[in-house]
Amino acid sequence: EAGVAQSPRYKIIEKRQSVAFWCNPISGHATLYWYQQILGQGPKLLIQFQNNGVVDDSQLPKDRFSAERLKGVDSTLKIQPAKLEDSAVYLCASSTFLTGENQPQHFGDGTRLSIL
Amino acid sequence: SQQGEEDPQALSIQEGENATMNCSYKTSINNLQWYRQNSGRGLVHLILIRSNEREKHSGRLRVTLDTSKKSSSLLITASRAADTASYFCATDRAGANNLFFGTGTRLTVIP
Repeated sequence: EAGVAQSPRYKIIEKRQSVAFWCNPISGHATLYWYQQILGQGPKLLIQFQNNGVVDDSQLPKDRFSAERLKGVDSTLKIQPAKLEDSAVYLCASSTFLTGENQPQHFGDGTRLSIL
Repeated sequence: SQQGEEDPQALSIQEGENATMNCSYKTSINNLQWYRQNSGRGLVHLILIRSNEREKHSGRLRVTLDTSKKSSSLLITASRAADTASYFCATDRAGANNLFFGTGTRLTVIP
C-alpha cells in the first residue's frame, strides 16, 4: 500500500510569513494526526482528526496554527504568522480506528520548516 | 505529564551486540508502542504491547512491560549497522485515543 504522503519536504520562510503543509494519508485510514517535532525531541501532537472532525486540538496554538481535513481525506496545516520557535519538522500520520484502543500510526517523512 | 521518558538518551554499541532501551511513564495505559526513526525520515511502528501483556517478540525485537513499575524495555538482539536510529516509546491514556511520545534513545551501531 502507498504510504503517507507529505509535501513539501523542505520549506524556508522568514518570520511573520505564512506557510502551509499538505498530507495525504493511507487510503481508508479514518484517523489523521499532525505532529511537531523539534530537533532532539519526540513528536508532539498538534491536532487529531477522526474522518473530517477534530478529536483533539488541545496543543494547537490556535492564534497562529490552523488545520482542516475536508472530505475526511487530505489535510492541510497552516501557520500564519510564523515565529522563530516554529522551526521544526511537521509530521503527518494516519491510522485505522478501533474503539478503545490506539492503533499503530503510519508516518510520512515530514516537512522540515526553517524560519529565518 | 503522561509523556514517557527513554533511558539512556544515547547508546553506542558494536555490531552483533544487544541493545536495551528503557521507557518509563506516569499514568495508567491501555497499550504502549515502540517506534523507530531514521535520520530525516518519519517514524516507523515496531511493536505494540497491551497493558495485560508482559512480553512480546517480533523478529530480533523483544519488548517487556511492567505496569506495576510503569516501565517498558525494548531489546534488539544481534544488532546491525542498519539498526542505527532513534527509538521512541509512545503511551496512551486510558480512555484517550492518541499517543504521547517520549524523548527517544539515539542508538548507534558501529560496524
